[in-house]
Amino acid sequence: DQQVKQNSPSLSVQEGRISILNCDYTNSMFDYFLWYKKYPAEGPTFLISISSIKDKNEDGRFTVFLNKSAKHLSLHIVPSQPGDSAVYFCAASGDGNQFYFGTGTSLTVIP
Amino acid sequence: EPEVTQTPSHQVTQMGQEVILRCVPISNHLYFYWYRQILGQKVEFLVSFYNNEISEKSEIFDDQFSVERPDGSNFTLKIRSTKLEDSAMYFCASSDMDSGNEQFFGPGTRLTVL
Repeated sequence: DQQVKQNSPSLSVQEGRISILNCDYTNSMFDYFLWYKKYPAEGPTFLISISSIKDKNEDGRFTVFLNKSAKHLSLHIVPSQPGDSAVYFCAASGDGNQFYFGTGTSLTVIP
Repeated sequence: EPEVTQTPSHQVTQMGQEVILRCVPISNHLYFYWYRQILGQKVEFLVSFYNNEISEKSEIFDDQFSVERPDGSNFTLKIRSTKLEDSAMYFCASSDMDSGNEQFFGPGTRLTVL
């Protein structure tokens, strides 16, 4: 029973363009969401988060949008850079203790 | 920059054997976590640990699993009698506050059960 879904296993984007990674969740009790980036053979690293009281959070080239009614969040990277090529996981939590991860989207930024 | 470390990077064991996966969280962090990722699948939460006790665990974390903070710096995950399906990447993480603070992940230990 997957509570957090990333339906696109992969995405390719030209350098300088916008990358949009999507994530859907089913549990309406989730109130905190995170994006992690993971390179091969490394653990996930925290990228950006958003709580349910906001609908947008921005940090440099990274912006996360939350649509609570649609139970959908997205991560925008603009402009995309080759170093952004990695697997991106979204994760959600309702109690701050247990985080449910999506299956990841592999982003390739083409120079 | 402080980081979470995990040893070994790769552990190979026979089915039925006990394994201990070790983690050294960031020194001033108080909350500790184990996750696993079976090859090609999602990252799954196993357990969280605070104040020398388990604060939350998933249904994956059955009696075969235990965690311990034996000496104030290490945080270990023990699997008593490994099964083939325990083969996965195991990630340790730590955070300095509960609920909403970013978790810093270690590089993972790849466990292969033969």
